[in-house]
Amino acid sequence: SQKIEQNSEALNIQEGKTATLTCNYTNYSPAYLQWYRQDPGRGPVFLLLIRENEKEKRKERLKVTFDTTLKQSLFHITASQPADSATYLCALGIYNQGGKLIFGQGTELSVKP
Amino acid sequence: EAGVTQFPSHSVIEKGQTVTLRCDPISGHDNLYWYRRVMGKEIKFLLHFVKESKQDESGMPNNRFLAERTGGTYSTLKVQPAELEDSGVYFCASSPDRGVGHEQYFGPGTRLTVT
Repeated sequence: SQKIEQNSEALNIQEGKTATLTCNYTNYSPAYLQWYRQDPGRGPVFLLLIRENEKEKRKERLKVTFDTTLKQSLFHITASQPADSATYLCALGIYNQGGKLIFGQGTELSVKP
Repeated sequence: EAGVTQFPSHSVIEKGQTVTLRCDPISGHDNLYWYRRVMGKEIKFLLHFVKESKQDESGMPNNRFLAERTGGTYSTLKVQPAELEDSGVYFCASSPDRGVGHEQYFGPGTRLTVT
């Protein structure tokens, strides 16, 4: 069956370190992959998009990589801060399926001061 | 600019009752999506409107769910009759008409509890 897997356990890191979150998928050929941040009681907020022909995207302290051979995306937050603590969701978009997104379950990140 | 708004923020109803959720997308956004997250599971797609037309309703669970987008502005999602398994958080998202693969702007969600 079609599946997207993110780090199932919460990720706890120290302030200033780099957080690395993983998104693995099976049985998909995604056209693009998006990363969202979700805080408790709120809707997801878009962070970054990377397309299938792109290897890496950066935005400020955020970096996303996309390896279609490994069927994996990595999401990095450098110089992490306590304010980065949230749940991070990866979502795939498939060609010819409109704009609908297929989400992973999310990884909860906690950055300790 | 105002973001995506959803009403109500929380609804508690009994099994068998009817509930209508409303979503107001960002003004000018042609694409409107409904998603749902049930407890412990991932966010799942329900359907996609382009203006007032249903582009994709492959994620709608069954015919107890009816979505409309009259005039291509706000959208409603009606559940009738509600069942216990319909409990969850219903998110609405919108995006401008610039082709697929662009970011979606999510509302805060409506938490539906069916007792």
